[in-house]
Amino acid sequence: DQQVKQNSPSLSVQEGRISILNCDYTNSMFDYFLWYKKYPAEGPTFLISISSIKDKNEDGRFTVFLNKSAKHLSLHIVPSQPGDSAVYFCAASVGGTASKLTFGTGTRLQVTL
Amino acid sequence: DAGITQSPRHKVTETGTPVTLRCHQTENHRYMYWYRQDPGHGLRLIHYSYGVKDTDKGEVSDGYSVSRSKTEDFLLTLESATSSQTSVYFCAISATGTKDEQYFGPGTRLTVT
Repeated sequence: DQQVKQNSPSLSVQEGRISILNCDYTNSMFDYFLWYKKYPAEGPTFLISISSIKDKNEDGRFTVFLNKSAKHLSLHIVPSQPGDSAVYFCAASVGGTASKLTFGTGTRLQVTL
Repeated sequence: DAGITQSPRHKVTETGTPVTLRCHQTENHRYMYWYRQDPGHGLRLIHYSYGVKDTDKGEVSDGYSVSRSKTEDFLLTLESATSSQTSVYFCAISATGTKDEQYFGPGTRLTVT
């Protein structure tokens, strides 16, 4: 039972345009959400997080939006750069902690020139 | 970059043999985690530790055991490896286990033949 779902396995975006990566969850107890980026042969690296008391969090080119009623979050990357090409995982946890994370299956983003 | 190393980085072993993977950190972080990454599943938590000699099970703990005798080392043992345990294993650390992100090691690719 996949509690965190990333329904798009891949996404291709032109350099300079906006990339929008989506994530849906089913467990209404999740109250803390994170996005990680992963390059091949490396471990995931943290990008941005959001607590359920907020609906938006921004960090430079990265913005995460949370829609609790729809159990949906999205990551916006503006403008997209070739170095953003990677696999992006969303993750969720219960109790406002970042300890026991439940990950989605990942979306591979390719930013083309 | 957080000081996390994993050893070995690659291993091929036969079904039924014991295998131990090591995670070593130089950050003096309290929390340590073991995940496995498989296609179609994202990352799944195997076990985690919240202090020396304090460990707990994650989502996919069957067939795995862990030990943490020192703050800096977290060992994952497959008592009798099976082909279903062929995967990429990631170690992660976090300072408090609350709203701080987890830092991941480079991963160990394990193949069980």
